[in-house]
Amino acid sequence: QTVVTQEPSFAVSPGGTVTLTCGLSSGSVSTSYYPSWYQQTPGQAPRTLIYSTNTRSSGVPDRFSGSILGNKAALTITGAQADDESDYYCVLYMGSGISVFGGGTKLTVL
Amino acid sequence: EVQLVQSGAEVKKPGESLKISCKGSGYSFSSYCVAWVRQMPGKGLEWMGIIYPGDSDTRYSPSFQGQVTISADKSISTAYLQWSSLKASDTAMYYCARPAYSGFYSIDNWGQGTLVTVSS
Repeated sequence: QTVVTQEPSFAVSPGGTVTLTCGLSSGSVSTSYYPSWYQQTPGQAPRTLIYSTNTRSSGVPDRFSGSILGNKAALTITGAQADDESDYYCVLYMGSGISVFGGGTKLTVL
Repeated sequence: EVQLVQSGAEVKKPGESLKISCKGSGYSFSSYCVAWVRQMPGKGLEWMGIIYPGDSDTRYSPSFQGQVTISADKSISTAYLQWSSLKASDTAMYYCARPAYSGFYSIDNWGQGTLVTVSS
């Protein structure tokens, strides 16, 4: 089965910019995988940030943006804030109704 | 406003059966898929499967095929996730979720989660 890869952890300074990526163990991510991104803090349900590569969910600030960078999907956070410290998950659509989540990235703001 | 409201927490013994629910409101339930996502304690999100309530077309992740059953009753706008014989390893939080579009991808809305604990 195809594995969706994410950085296990990342750190960013307050006010800084960070780009998290979402790749495939084999092959390149394109818009046809409809990459989506979710933020989750402990004890909470996931919150949708981005779907279909670059569409922000309702209420999500434009500090969060999605794109394809090279052969991966990317989530860029600009002007990082303390409450951006969370787990971030991507999901890719593999076709035939099946999607696969990445293992998640733990983002630290320090 | 789109809302997905899940049933409450469950505590079960190994071997017991269970059916949890996810009620959709604020949209045409028959026209949008409902996905189920597992999160084991301290672990990441796992895609389990998805159903289109309009015709009950259901797709399962290979990891969950044969382990759970996903169903829906469009007359009451409710999707279900069920087990016939629970194992301790089924202990997890389970989320239902709805795509932004009428398709199998681009999840946008989430339920609040149902915690399932399986212990003897």
